[in-house]
Amino acid sequence: AQSVSQHNHHVILSEAASLELGCNYSYGGTVNLFWYVQYPGQHLQLLLKYFSGDPLVKGIKGFEAEFIKSKFSFNLRKPSVQWSDTAEYFCAVNGGNNRLAFGKGNQVVVIP
Amino acid sequence: NAGVTQTPKFRVLKTGQSMTLLCAQDMNHEYMYWYRQDPGMGLRLIHYSVGEGTTAKGEVPDGYNVSRLKKQNFLLGLESAAPSQTSVYFCASSTGTGVHEQYFGPGTRLTVT
Repeated sequence: AQSVSQHNHHVILSEAASLELGCNYSYGGTVNLFWYVQYPGQHLQLLLKYFSGDPLVKGIKGFEAEFIKSKFSFNLRKPSVQWSDTAEYFCAVNGGNNRLAFGKGNQVVVIP
Repeated sequence: NAGVTQTPKFRVLKTGQSMTLLCAQDMNHEYMYWYRQDPGMGLRLIHYSVGEGTTAKGEVPDGYNVSRLKKQNFLLGLESAAPSQTSVYFCASSTGTGVHEQYFGPGTRLTVT
């Protein structure tokens, strides 16, 4: 079964700081990988996804993620965060069974 | 398009009461899912459906039942609510082909007292 690990569940940083959230998955086959964001009181929205090709994926709002197959990782990055990036971020993996496995999320708070 | 909608948005139940949560999607998606979200637990899959008339158990199915009588609707039922079912419930849908990106509804906040 596929599973996802996210570290540093609570992250607090100041505006303009860089953000990196780690995501590791366990699945030996071909995977599709996702990062979703949940702003306070809202539903999950897709930030970016990887399914093939260039392992560096660019998403909305200046976010990017790098797929490193040898490390089973799909880390999310943003060079300079804004207060509006305060949200919970979820990594998810699909291992071909039409289901997503989600990590437990990273609560990110950006201080103005 | 409205995307994925959920009814109701909030509900308070007493232990032992029953209720049904409704999810509707207007994207002609084949697959639909019910998740619960609890603090520090991420999203856990309750039940899902890969097409009209089909349902399957997810990670945490106990205490819930589902039905998919119409392609656009996916109902989640609690026959006898328990305080442990206090949670935020999200519905999602996907095409079922390709990348399997899921589209989420706005959620239902359920409190069982």
